[in-house]
Amino acid sequence: DAGITQSPRHKVTETGTPVTLRCHQTENHRYMYWYRQDPGHGLRLIHYSYGVKDTDKGEVSDGYSVSRSKTEDFLLTLESATSSQTSVYFCAISEGTTGGSGNTEAFFGQGTRLTVV
Amino acid sequence: AQSVAQPEDQVNVAEGNPLTVKCTYSVSGNPYLFWYVQYPNRGLQFLLKYITGDNLVKGSYGFEAEFNKSQTSFHLKKPSALVSDSALYFCAVRESGAGKSTFGDGTTLTVKP
Repeated sequence: DAGITQSPRHKVTETGTPVTLRCHQTENHRYMYWYRQDPGHGLRLIHYSYGVKDTDKGEVSDGYSVSRSKTEDFLLTLESATSSQTSVYFCAISEGTTGGSGNTEAFFGQGTRLTVV
Repeated sequence: AQSVAQPEDQVNVAEGNPLTVKCTYSVSGNPYLFWYVQYPNRGLQFLLKYITGDNLVKGSYGFEAEFNKSQTSFHLKKPSALVSDSALYFCAVRESGAGKSTFGDGTTLTVKP
């Protein structure tokens, strides 16, 4: 398995509180992604990063922010959690090539189950 | 914009029979196509990909997929299904040069003994 660790694995938080999820990789891959998985919606991209301090929005980025200060770490922050953000969050990495993520597949972490009450 | 459709939420097959999980895609340029599998309470695992070349791609666990450019499809197939193949399957597409992939909604495959 690719070296990807997500923490925490489970979290319950209250509406309105900030939450940060961490993704750590040991593969030195260029690209890192945050997805959320919800029944009936498959996997939706929240944000992704193509290098240190280089990030871009995905299709469901509202209410989320990210940071990547080191190659190995990609943080996802919910500034003020809402019940609609209850979901399973997956981090993924891919090697990529210059000019784009190329033809490389992604490797996924085990997921973080977040419940906002 | 790129998009993926998996028209079947659920596919049921008997063990030993061939299986097909359907995927169609839409991209502006050349597509990179991927299949992933997810077992309960796990992350997605890569199965196979089409980048260029032979339209029939072989992957892990005996799975294969056929790229059909005219029909914009990339169906996943296996000649003889196993009960252990039961899982959630995702098709994904990435346009050549793009930094991100788009995933389908997933198809639940159930193989019955």
